[in-house]
Amino acid sequence: NAGVTQTPKFRILKIGQSMTLQCAQDMNHNYMYWYRQDPGMGLKLIYYSVGAGITDKGEVPNGYNVSRSTTEDFPLRLELAAPSQTSVYFCASSYLRGGQETQYFGPGTRLLVL
Amino acid sequence: RKEVEQDPGPFNVPEGATVAFNCTYSNSASQSFFWYRQDCRKEPKLLMSVYSSGNEDGRFTAQLNRASQYISLLIRDSKLSDSATYLCVVNRGGADGLTFGKGTHLIIQP
Repeated sequence: NAGVTQTPKFRILKIGQSMTLQCAQDMNHNYMYWYRQDPGMGLKLIYYSVGAGITDKGEVPNGYNVSRSTTEDFPLRLELAAPSQTSVYFCASSYLRGGQETQYFGPGTRLLVL
Repeated sequence: RKEVEQDPGPFNVPEGATVAFNCTYSNSASQSFFWYRQDCRKEPKLLMSVYSSGNEDGRFTAQLNRASQYISLLIRDSKLSDSATYLCVVNRGGADGLTFGKGTHLIIQP
């Protein structure tokens, strides 16, 4: 049971390039989330999904896209990278149980946009 | 008022001491509460949930005060390994997940 996995661990992008951050979980969780964490700041929700085929915007969705074709995978797409997207990206999943919700996080992807 | 507010610290505490920190939240409709721990350059991990009656897990005690909208975490007999950032986390009850505070940085000194 690997939990939540993310690839790559680290990436450097040039302004205007695109990339996909991969996230997968093997816990059969319905809910999946993408957060970004800037230095000294709290995690901010980018997008989330309540199940395969359903996604919704979080607090900071601009510049990102997501898809959820399977329960296991929730990739995050950056189409035109900008320096403001330099951050650490965490994917998380949860099995919502009556309001008590433990989220399990992946190890993160560190992204530097130059 | 920010949704979830914490003193960023750092709190410098000698090993063996007791340390406590609080967190306030603005949304009175918030339904569930948690403390997560985040080590440097690592992902957040659940430390403990916070229940209305207060709860304890070994050296850690969490309290919730709904009337004043604050949550506290008490660490007794602190260890060097307790050095980390502690994130106060609130679930408003919607499907869009959790709201995280910026964290309180704790440094346990030998």
